[in-house]
Amino acid sequence: DAGITQSPRHKVTETGTPVTLRCHQTENHRYMYWYRQDPGHGLRLIHYSYGVKDTDKGEVSDGYSVSRSKTEDFLLTLESATSSQTSVYFCATLPGQGNNEQFFGPGTRLTVL
Amino acid sequence: GESVGLHLPTLSVQEGDNSIINCAYSNSASDYFIWYKQESGKGPQFIIDIRSNMDKRQGQRVTVLLNKTVKHLSLQIAATQPGDSAVYFCAENLYGQNFVFGPGTRLSVLP
Repeated sequence: DAGITQSPRHKVTETGTPVTLRCHQTENHRYMYWYRQDPGHGLRLIHYSYGVKDTDKGEVSDGYSVSRSKTEDFLLTLESATSSQTSVYFCATLPGQGNNEQFFGPGTRLTVL
Repeated sequence: GESVGLHLPTLSVQEGDNSIINCAYSNSASDYFIWYKQESGKGPQFIIDIRSNMDKRQGQRVTVLLNKTVKHLSLQIAATQPGDSAVYFCAENLYGQNFVFGPGTRLSVLP
C-alpha cells in the first residue's frame, strides 16, 4: 500500500465548520490524489498533485482545496463543510516515471451533520 | 470500516467456478486500463492492468480482456475463492496520470 496513511480515519463534524484531512506517504511518489466515494458511484477525483506545490482540480473540486508543501503530505480542506460532503475520502499515490499503478490509503469516513 | 456502496450490481458465483466481471469505458482515446479490488473497509488494491495495444493480459488466476471496438473491458477470475469476494472497479487512463473509475461490481462467492 506504499506506506499511505490517512488521518483522521473517522470524523463527525457540523455544517459550516472547516475540516482538514491529511494524507501521508513514505514512498516518495510524485503524484498524489484525493477521491471521494459515495454509494452507487465509483471513485471521483477531487484534486490531484503532480509535485510539491503543483496541484490541479478534478471532477468534483467545488468546496474543496488542497495543499502540498512536502512530497510526503497532501492535505484536503473543506472550507465550510456541507452535508453533501458526507462521504468516504481516499488518498492515492502514483510513482510516475512510467509506473502508473495507483496505491490507495485506507480511507477517511467523514460525516457532516 | 468504510462501506463501498449498497446498490452496486452484484455477481454471485459458486466457489470454484470462474467469474467474469464486465466494464464499459467511456473514451476511445484511453490507452491504459486497470482493474482494482476493494474489500470491505479498505482502499482499492491494484489487480492487473492492460495497455490499449493489447487484447489480453494474464496474471495469477486473473485475465483481463480488452475490446476496443465496443469499448469493453472484462476481468476473468479462475477458480473463484471466498477471498475473492469484494467490489471490483475498472479504471481508464484518460489523460496524463489521471483515471476515471467505473461504478464497480460486487462479487459474492457462495460456498
